[in-house]
This record gives sequence, structure tokens and C-alpha cells, in this order.
Amino acid sequence: DAGITQSPRHKVTETGTPVTLRCHQTENHRYMYWYRQDPGHGLRLIHYSYGVKDTDKGEVSDGYSVSRSKTEDFLLTLESATSSQTSVYFCAISDKTGRFYEQYFGPGTRLTVT
Amino acid sequence: AQSVTQLGSHVSVSEGALVLLRCNYSSSVPPYLFWYVQYPNQGLQLLLKYTSAATLVKGINGFEAEFKKSETSFHLTKPSAHMSDAAEYFCAVTLTGTASKLTFGTGTRLQVTL
Repeated sequence: DAGITQSPRHKVTETGTPVTLRCHQTENHRYMYWYRQDPGHGLRLIHYSYGVKDTDKGEVSDGYSVSRSKTEDFLLTLESATSSQTSVYFCAISDKTGRFYEQYFGPGTRLTVT
Repeated sequence: AQSVTQLGSHVSVSEGALVLLRCNYSSSVPPYLFWYVQYPNQGLQLLLKYTSAATLVKGINGFEAEFKKSETSFHLTKPSAHMSDAAEYFCAVTLTGTASKLTFGTGTRLQVTL
């Protein structure tokens, strides 16, 4: 298994509170991603990073921010959590293997906003 | 822009029967296509990938998929289902040469019955 850990694995928080999820990798991969998984939607990209301090938005970035100060860590922050952000969050990493990039996924964080 | 459509959110087969999970893609340029499997309360695991080398792709656990450009399809098959195949399966697409933005289908939950 690719060396990807996510913390916390489960979190319950109240509406309006800030929340930070952490993704840590030991593979020294250049690219890191945050997805959310919701029934009927599959996985949707929130933000991704293509290097330290280099990030970009995905298709569902509203209400989320990210930071990457070290190659191994990618943080996802919900500045003021809302019930619509209740979801399972997955981190993924990738690097170029031959001609393409293969993504490896972490175990996920289940977030409940009450 | 690229997209994938998975027909059937739930598929049920008997143990020993053929598994067929459907995926159609839309892409303006040659795509890379992937099938991922997710077991309960776990992250996603890569089953197989199409990277333009061969149209019939073999993956792990006896699964295979065939890329058909004329039909814009990348259906996943397994000749004989096993109880351990029960999981959710996701088709995903990314554009040639890009390192980001895997676009996922909405997933198909496979049930295997005795």
C-alpha cells in the first residue's frame, strides 16, 4: 500500500466551527489531491497540489482551502463548517510513471457536521 | 472537458456468474481510463488502467476491461463472480498528459448472491 495516512479518521463537529484535515505521505510524490465522496456523486475533486506551495481548485472548492508547506503534508481546511460538508474525504497522491500519473488513495476521513 | 457515465448504480449477480459493469466516457482528446474498487470503509484501490498501449486490459482479481473507441466505452468484466467481489466500483478518466483532475463516475455497487 502507498504510504498515505489521513487524520483524523472520524470527526464530528458543529456548524460554524473550523476544521482541518491532514494528509501525510511517505512516498515523496509531487502531486496531492483532496476529494469528497457523496452518495450518487462518486468522488469529486476539491483542491489539488502540484508542488510545495502550489495549489489549484477542483470542481467543488467553495468553502474549502488548502495548504502545502512540505512535500509530505497536504492540509484541507473548512473555515466554517456547514452541514453540506458532511462527507467522506479522501486524499490521493500521484507522480509520473512512464507517460501518465497513477493516483493512490488514503483510507479516508468521515466528517459529520451537526 | 472529460466525463464518465456508469450505467446502473446497483448490479446484483449470482456467485459464479459473469460480472459486467458499464462505463462510457466523453473526451475531446485521447483519454486515460481507470477502474477503481472500494471495499466497505476503505479507500479506493486501482483495479486496472488503460493508457493506450493495448485495448484489452487485465487487472487484479481476474477483472479485465476493453477500450472501445467507436463505442466510447470501457466496460469492466469478470467471467465468474466471487463473494469477495462485492464492493463499489468506480470508473474514472483523465486526459493524456495531465497530472490532475481524475473525473469519476458515480459508482456501481456490486452485490454477489449465493
